[in-house]
Amino acid sequence: ETGVTQTPRHLVMGMTNKKSLKCEQHLGHNAMYWYKQSAKKPLELMFVYSLEERVENNSVPSRFSPECPNSSHLFLHLHTLQPEDSALYLCASSPFLEQDLHYEQYFGPGTRLTVT
Amino acid sequence: GENVEQHPSTLSVQEGDSAVIKCTYSDSASNYFPWYKQELGKRPQLIIDIRSNVGEKKDQRIAVTLNKTAKHFSLHITETQPEDSAVYFCATGGKLIFGQGTELSVKP
Repeated sequence: ETGVTQTPRHLVMGMTNKKSLKCEQHLGHNAMYWYKQSAKKPLELMFVYSLEERVENNSVPSRFSPECPNSSHLFLHLHTLQPEDSALYLCASSPFLEQDLHYEQYFGPGTRLTVT
Repeated sequence: GENVEQHPSTLSVQEGDSAVIKCTYSDSASNYFPWYKQELGKRPQLIIDIRSNVGEKKDQRIAVTLNKTAKHFSLHITETQPEDSAVYFCATGGKLIFGQGTELSVKP
């Protein structure tokens, strides 16, 4: 598959569950991102990785835990979430990220998460 | 902190008319200004971007203008078509903050 893929596409979980979202990019990019998109709200940047090193953590609650084992894969581990965490979680990648110098981001299709 | 304000939040135009969406930002160090289009149920996709050393950039029916002094940049869509209907997001800043989005509706 080409581009940026995300699995699962839909996820329903209880507040006590532990689950993980997976993102994979086939573009040879060096930077990967997690965003949260809620209804009627702008895209919220959660985490940024550049060459597998976390360079940004935007005051995200610890119940969200990212992992970047290599430049092609990015995970978001979820545990003890709240109903307000229900949203579309988008992964993106870009060729580089150099000292606040941004490049085009390629988004995945997203995971629609519902916390019950 | 950094802030990006996008207006209007909704915009309805007749097919063939022009549409303009504006974003203002607070981070004077911003040097990259992309615009993304998100159709219903789909992922955001870049439609045009501009860097701070350029004042205007065009790509067929879309253009972006940048005023660094006033800290605002705008998306211009001419000869709008129904397939332009979508939510448009601007972004900028060191942390690439996105605007709130503009829902554009083009009526045939």
